[in-house]
Amino acid sequence: DVKVTQSSRYLVKRTGEKVFLECVQDMDHENMFWYRQDPGLGLRLIYFSYDVKMKEKGDIPEGYSVSREKKERFSLILESASTNQTSMYLCASSYLGQAQEKLFFGSGTQLSVL
Amino acid sequence: SQQGEEDPQALSIQEGENATMNCSYKTSINNLQWYRQNSGRGLVHLILIRSNEREKHSGRLRVTLDTSKKSSSLLITASRAADTASYFCATARTSNTDKLIFGTGTRLQVFP
Repeated sequence: DVKVTQSSRYLVKRTGEKVFLECVQDMDHENMFWYRQDPGLGLRLIYFSYDVKMKEKGDIPEGYSVSREKKERFSLILESASTNQTSMYLCASSYLGQAQEKLFFGSGTQLSVL
Repeated sequence: SQQGEEDPQALSIQEGENATMNCSYKTSINNLQWYRQNSGRGLVHLILIRSNEREKHSGRLRVTLDTSKKSSSLLITASRAADTASYFCATARTSNTDKLIFGTGTRLQVFP
């Protein structure tokens, strides 16, 4: 079975801190995605990547950046965390050419910015 | 903007009853998918139906797609307490093949 692992289930940070959320997948997927999930808003795409060192903005990239130095790892970076970035963050992956097919999700990181 | 909108937002039923959730969308799609999310966890893919299909089954799940009405429904038959979760539809738009667009979800509670 595909496994998508997010490094932290819960994270508490202070305003202005630099925050790294890590995601690793073990199925050699080319596509990786970062979503945030907020009540009443569903899942919104922040960034995605088709390949190593490649990144594309999603629908809400402001305040975020990403890094993909290795195929299996996709990191989401909050350069200066703000309270409005308190949210559930979900990482997902899929095979190349299957960005619109079945996505495999990690368990999520609930981030609280105080 | 959100492509898929589910209704109802919340649904409570007894074990053994059927649960029906609906999803409406706005633009032309390649496929529509349903995902399940247990409380505080990630999403799990349930079923995918392509734009040229009208109905699909997987175990106790039945999905229908009406492209003329731009809507889909997910039916869970003989519900169990373990089906308690949030259910999301996700659409693959023909105009943007890079990603899926998720709806806001239906929260299903199945009482024993």
